[in-house]
Amino acid sequence: DAKTTQPTSMDCAEGRAANLPCNHSTISGNEYVYWYRQIHSQGPQYIIHGLKNNETNEMASLIITEDRKSSTLILPHATLRDTAVYYCIVRPRPYNAGNMLTFGGGTRLMVKP
Amino acid sequence: DTGVSQDPRHKITKRGQNVTFRCDPISEHNRLYWYRQTLGQGPEFLTYFQNEAQLEKSRLLSDRFSAERPKGSFSTLEIQRTEQGDSAMYLCASNGGGELFFGEGSRLTVL
Repeated sequence: DAKTTQPTSMDCAEGRAANLPCNHSTISGNEYVYWYRQIHSQGPQYIIHGLKNNETNEMASLIITEDRKSSTLILPHATLRDTAVYYCIVRPRPYNAGNMLTFGGGTRLMVKP
Repeated sequence: DTGVSQDPRHKITKRGQNVTFRCDPISEHNRLYWYRQTLGQGPEFLTYFQNEAQLEKSRLLSDRFSAERPKGSFSTLEIQRTEQGDSAMYLCASNGGGELFFGEGSRLTVL
């Protein structure tokens, strides 16, 4: 699987947009970009995924560059409850037999009042 | 609540004791995964079941670890002769062809 690089930590003011970057310069053509987050003391939670088009759901938006070497997860109006570690993962889809996700260190987002 | 249940949520044990964790996945999900997460690190894959068949095991899963999913529903993860290095959060996830749904984990502390 392609490796991802994320900043270790970021701060965001409550109510502002949180923009979390991810570099995946070795992504291959059949790999999707996935985002999960993990709130303290909970299991990871799926947020969104995309291949090459921008995606939006009720939780977030995902912007993928045209060359697919990087992406940005956008939380449009961050709340204190969005404080979590955010993981960017690239994987083929549909999943192969293993279907496991390979988590890196993620970005620790701190939303401040 | 994702629908994936894990029990117990917390376990404190002495080194050398055996411990067992249980995971109840979302009922219609045929794939079940175990991950381990140590403090400050992302989750690491341990093993994966499709129905009752254990199809993949990580090298992290030493011979003191055993996982089962006898009827293709719930799963157990047993650690024998626990060591302090086994202290971690053990996460279970299930999948029915879409995204992974994780439980809240079982935190193990080995004294």
